[in-house]
Amino acid sequence: DQQVKQNSPSLSVQEGRISILNCDYTNSMFDYFLWYKKYPAEGPTFLISISSIKDKNEDGRFTVFLNKSAKHLSLHIVPSQPGDSAVYFCAAGVDYSGSARQLTFGSGTQLTVLP
Amino acid sequence: DGGITQSPKYLFRKEGQNVTLSCEQNLNHDAMYWYRQDPGQGLRLIYYSQIVNDFQKGDIAEGYSVSREKKESFPLTVTSAQKNPTAFYLCASSPMTGSGADTQYFGPGTRLTVL
Repeated sequence: DQQVKQNSPSLSVQEGRISILNCDYTNSMFDYFLWYKKYPAEGPTFLISISSIKDKNEDGRFTVFLNKSAKHLSLHIVPSQPGDSAVYFCAAGVDYSGSARQLTFGSGTQLTVLP
Repeated sequence: DGGITQSPKYLFRKEGQNVTLSCEQNLNHDAMYWYRQDPGQGLRLIYYSQIVNDFQKGDIAEGYSVSREKKESFPLTVTSAQKNPTAFYLCASSPMTGSGADTQYFGPGTRLTVL
């Protein structure tokens, strides 16, 4: 049972345009969400996160939107650059205060930014 | 520079042999994690540890063992009981501030191939 789903395995966009990556989750206990970027044969790099008390978080070209009622979050990259081409993972967790956070990851979306 | 190191980057093992993957961090993080990634799939949690001499099973712990004798080190042993050990293994660490901002940071990974 996949609790975190990324239904688009791949996405191609033109350089300079907006990239929108989507993620759905089923566990209503999740209250913290993260996006990671991963290049082949490397570890994931943290991009941006959002707590369930917010519906938007912005960091430079990256913005994450959270729709709790729809159990949906999205990552917007504006403008997209060729260096953004990578696999993007959505992850979700429950904030048990004082405990290590167990994250559940989606299967990833391969973003290709075309020059 | 602070970070997480994993060694070796590539590892080959004969079927039936145990092998240990190294993970070291100098970020002074309390929590450490081991994940496995298979092609086209997200990261799956094998084991995690919140404190020295304590660790918990993740979603796919069967065939694996860990130890946490030092805060900085969290080695993973892939035993001969693991039926499909060929995969990309990722180690991560995070602080445990209890504030909900416990982002996990990843090492570069170890590619294990069983011959």
